[in-house]
Amino acid sequence: DILMTQSPPSLSASIGDRVTITCRAGHSIGKFLNWFQQKPGKAPQLLIYSVSNLADGVPSRFTGSGSGSGADFTLTISSLQPEDFATYYCQQSYSRPWTFGQGTEVEI
Amino acid sequence: QMQLQESGPGLVKPSQTLSLTCTVSGGSMTSGTYYWTWIRQAAGKRLEWIGRIHFAGSTDYNPSLKSRVTISVDTSKKQFSLHLTSVTAADTAVYYCARDYGEGPDYWGQGVRVTVSS
Repeated sequence: DILMTQSPPSLSASIGDRVTITCRAGHSIGKFLNWFQQKPGKAPQLLIYSVSNLADGVPSRFTGSGSGSGADFTLTISSLQPEDFATYYCQQSYSRPWTFGQGTEVEI
Repeated sequence: QMQLQESGPGLVKPSQTLSLTCTVSGGSMTSGTYYWTWIRQAAGKRLEWIGRIHFAGSTDYNPSLKSRVTISVDTSKKQFSLHLTSVTAADTAVYYCARDYGEGPDYWGQGVRVTVSS
């Protein structure tokens, strides 16, 4: 299985802050990387697919990027809004079983 | 808008079989590119992909669960199901059904909490 490692596990931020979350795959996974947002008691929602494509309805303050290695990825929130406080997960779809990162909790 | 809803017992006894059903609405189950997926999340742990099924019947399972898992589909009822045998406390989790667009889940159900306890 491909191990997905996120950092940091949690972070504290304020409204308007720029926030960056990183995800590292156990080996190169190319563009097969998705990001999800999960709020307490709710199902995860697809945020970004294939490294950098915004899912329907996702605000443009969210951006995803990847390094040339194909193993390092970043989720950036350019200006944190109240509704963005949640836990964020990365997920690889390079090979089955699909695997997820351990999550990054964004708190006030 | 695609919607999925899990249903099934919230309490299962150890060694018994956990059975859940997901009902799909707002879209077709028989579009060729989609799979129908089960994912679970135990308290304090990362999301775990259980497996998926194509409407034509082909399945993929997580090797860590493969010996105990069966996923089936009934397109006439717009439902797919999860059966997990010989459950233990380690199977206690929130279980989600989701549509897999081929490279991961896009639409998710709200989740159902299942506790394994006598």
